Amino acid sequence: QKEVEQDPGPLSVPEGAIVSLNCTYSNSAFQYFMWYRQYSRKGPELLMYTYSSGNKEDGRFTAQVDKSSKYISLFIRDSQPSDSATYLCAMSAGGKLIFGQGTELSVKP
Amino acid sequence: DTGVSQDPRHKITKRGQNVTFRCDPISEHNRLYWYRQTLGQGPEFLTYFQNEAQLEKSRLLSDRFSAERPKGSFSTLEIQRTEQGDSAMYLCASSSDGYQPQHFGDGTRLSIL
Repeated sequence: QKEVEQDPGPLSVPEGAIVSLNCTYSNSAFQYFMWYRQYSRKGPELLMYTYSSGNKEDGRFTAQVDKSSKYISLFIRDSQPSDSATYLCAMSAGGKLIFGQGTELSVKP
Repeated sequence: DTGVSQDPRHKITKRGQNVTFRCDPISEHNRLYWYRQTLGQGPEFLTYFQNEAQLEKSRLLSDRFSAERPKGSFSTLEIQRTEQGDSAMYLCASSSDGYQPQHFGDGTRLSIL
């Protein structure tokens, strides 16, 4: 079993939809949780960074962490075609990142 | 803040050749990480440096791989006697410490003929 599980999709939604992306993990030592966006042939770009449990909002993006359930989520409101990319969850105990497989998202105009 | 820079962006080489990649982190970032990413997968950790000290190496990093960060600034990753299985995107990331988020470069894509 992988330390971090993420549904690879692909996920296709119409423009304006609310997108929900999720990851589960098994290592209770993880305290730092990140979401990265990766376009084709580019490096991962940091979207959200949270410490411990709770919610964090930044514009159209909301990150949620539930440490009791070992479950993290990213919500994208009013999705745009430019949001089409692969979304990677990542987490750490303070050091190296452990990534999920990535979810490929396509937002159709 | 110019971001993490990696060179070259793409390297094509024949099996058995040696290759070297370079990473320039964000200035004043003490931590520098190397990851490898294959198609359809998330990045996998290879190794990281705190200043010039290499503090952790993954079991993925075979004896053919070596990384250096001689003056605590840029880093190089060398692969000797390349194999088909080494074909991947090699990503570099940096952070100010182990608790701050890591910022990635655009990677070096290695293709083995």
